[in-house]
Amino acid sequence: DGGITQSPKYLFRKEGQNVTLSCEQNLNHDAMYWYRQDPGQGLRLIYYSQIVNDFQKGDIAEGYSVSREKKESFPLTVTSAQKNPTAFYLCASSINGPHTDTQYFGPGTRLTVL
Amino acid sequence: EDQVTQSPEALRLQEGESSSLNCSYTVSGLRGLFWYRQDPGKGPEFLFTLYSAGEEKEKERLKATLTKKESFLHITAPKPEDSATYLCAVLGGGFKTIFGAGTRLFVKA
Repeated sequence: DGGITQSPKYLFRKEGQNVTLSCEQNLNHDAMYWYRQDPGQGLRLIYYSQIVNDFQKGDIAEGYSVSREKKESFPLTVTSAQKNPTAFYLCASSINGPHTDTQYFGPGTRLTVL
Repeated sequence: EDQVTQSPEALRLQEGESSSLNCSYTVSGLRGLFWYRQDPGKGPEFLFTLYSAGEEKEKERLKATLTKKESFLHITAPKPEDSATYLCAVLGGGFKTIFGAGTRLFVKA
């Protein structure tokens, strides 16, 4: 079955630590995205990528970093510079893009800072 | 500035009680409007894409409609399993997808 996988489902981080969230897709989609979801707010775009080795900052990129070494993979690192990282993180992909058509989402990773 | 507003924030229905969710938008050059369903602790599940005013799409008990200023998600004879948060998003001429905060739907048996 084609789809988007994210791991881990739950992640706990101590203050000052960097953590990396995994996102893999086997849909052969060109574009991939990372969003952050907080209660009562719409999804906010962190980073997006249209092709391998290229990515662009979204609205809230500070304290985050990404890489796109393979078409199928778009990992997100939450660095110690992100002061309020506790949130639900969603990865998405679209056939073309970025921001040209329907985005499909993974199951999400819930990150909690201890 | 592009903007998406969903109403109501929460909606409680009895099983079989039909209703509608609203998504009002302000965007320059609409390229697409998207509806998603999100269950607690899970990623959004794609429902519909609408591209132009007057367009309608249906799936089971759900029907999405689009005008130049808003979209409605009509739910006919809902069941408890329709309980979820419904998200609306718009893609404008600025090539940026804007998401609303969602409407939480509760359907009681």
